[in-house]
Amino acid sequence: QKEVEQNSGPLSVPEGAIASLNCTYSDRGSQSFFWYRQYSGKSPELIMSIYSNGDKEDGRFTAQLNKASQYVSLLIRDSQPSDSATYLCAVSGYSTLTFGKGTMLLVSP
Amino acid sequence: KAGVTQTPRYLIKTRGQQVTLSCSPISGHRSVSWYQQTPGQGLQFLFEYFSETQRNKGNFPGRFSGRQFSNSRSEMNVSTLELGDSALYLCASSLAVGRLNTEAFFGQGTRLTVV
Repeated sequence: QKEVEQNSGPLSVPEGAIASLNCTYSDRGSQSFFWYRQYSGKSPELIMSIYSNGDKEDGRFTAQLNKASQYVSLLIRDSQPSDSATYLCAVSGYSTLTFGKGTMLLVSP
Repeated sequence: KAGVTQTPRYLIKTRGQQVTLSCSPISGHRSVSWYQQTPGQGLQFLFEYFSETQRNKGNFPGRFSGRQFSNSRSEMNVSTLELGDSALYLCASSLAVGRLNTEAFFGQGTRLTVV
């Protein structure tokens, strides 16, 4: 059973701070890693993908991958109230995406 | 480029009825996956289609079925609806299945309420 674990939160950070979201996965054969953002009542939106160990930066977002530790993280710099949402980690190999249950992020003004 | 389109957006059905949901993937995408999302269970995988063939199936009862057409559009059907089937049903579109680094994009979802 492939599992993806995330802390459900909520993770509360003040505006302008760095938010750090974490995810662990059980399948060592996983090769592709994704972060989705889901606003309440909306569908998930792909915000980052990462495939190799290390960091990948896109604007205020940085995804970090450590395959040896089976660990993926998402850093959001200069957090804004509009970043308040649930962040879903998703993992796949040569098969379907497996999602974590998501971490709720609350950014207070 | 148009995104993933799901219809209808909202649906209210009575227990025992059946329902059909539709998904049109992004142009050029041949893989469609379906997920059920409920507050307690998160995103649960239903099934995945590629080139009109079901490639993977999640752990759902046989009341849940799907199909894909030659134009990659997909439908899912739920028969004999139960109250517990109330959920947000999401369709995700991707270029292919079984290949690495394939990003999936979601439609807006169909909110099904069973009363």
